[in-house]
Amino acid sequence: GDSVTQMEGPVTLSEEAFLTINCTYTATGYPSLFWYVQYPGEGLQLLLKATKADDKGSNKGFEATYRKETTSFHLEKGSVQVSDSAVYFCALSPGTSYGKLTFGQGTILTVHP
Amino acid sequence: DGGITQSPKYLFRKEGQNVTLSCEQNLNHDAMYWYRQDPGQGLRLIYYSQIVNDFQKGDIAEGYSVSREKKESFPLTVTSAQKNPTAFYLCASRSAGTGGTDTQYFGPGTRLTVL
Repeated sequence: GDSVTQMEGPVTLSEEAFLTINCTYTATGYPSLFWYVQYPGEGLQLLLKATKADDKGSNKGFEATYRKETTSFHLEKGSVQVSDSAVYFCALSPGTSYGKLTFGQGTILTVHP
Repeated sequence: DGGITQSPKYLFRKEGQNVTLSCEQNLNHDAMYWYRQDPGQGLRLIYYSQIVNDFQKGDIAEGYSVSREKKESFPLTVTSAQKNPTAFYLCASRSAGTGGTDTQYFGPGTRLTVL
């Protein structure tokens, strides 16, 4: 079945450092890929998405590129801020009508001033 | 403002009691979902519904039940048969009919604690 694997956390960075959170997936067909962010005590917010190979999703300085050859969708940001501290989830949705999301286990990011 | 509301934010239940979590959306979305989140884990799908009066079991449906009598509402009942109900429950919705590319939007969640 479908699965998503994220790099193990937690990740701790200083403000303005470069961020990479790795995400790889296993799926049949052509899934859509997502990054969601969760702030403490809140629901998930969509950060970015990509729906086909080589697409780049971007939002708020975050970027991720859909790499079918390496089955990856790594999240990057050039300069993190304290306000980026949150849990980040990589997820995939198969090319079916009901749109079930399969999530990775989440990566906790803490950014220090 | 359009969005998804869940109530209550915090819920406490005694063992052996059923409890119902509310989820309402005014996004005019056809599909709705319930997920469970446990510490250090990703979200797992409990139930989903693509249309009114129809719903399907997800990966961990045992001990849960749902109904979909109205397009905007998808309540989840956690029954006494659920062995480990303490968790964070998230509701989501999506406009259906366009495959898996549409985005799921999430509510703020309900934290259920069994005492």
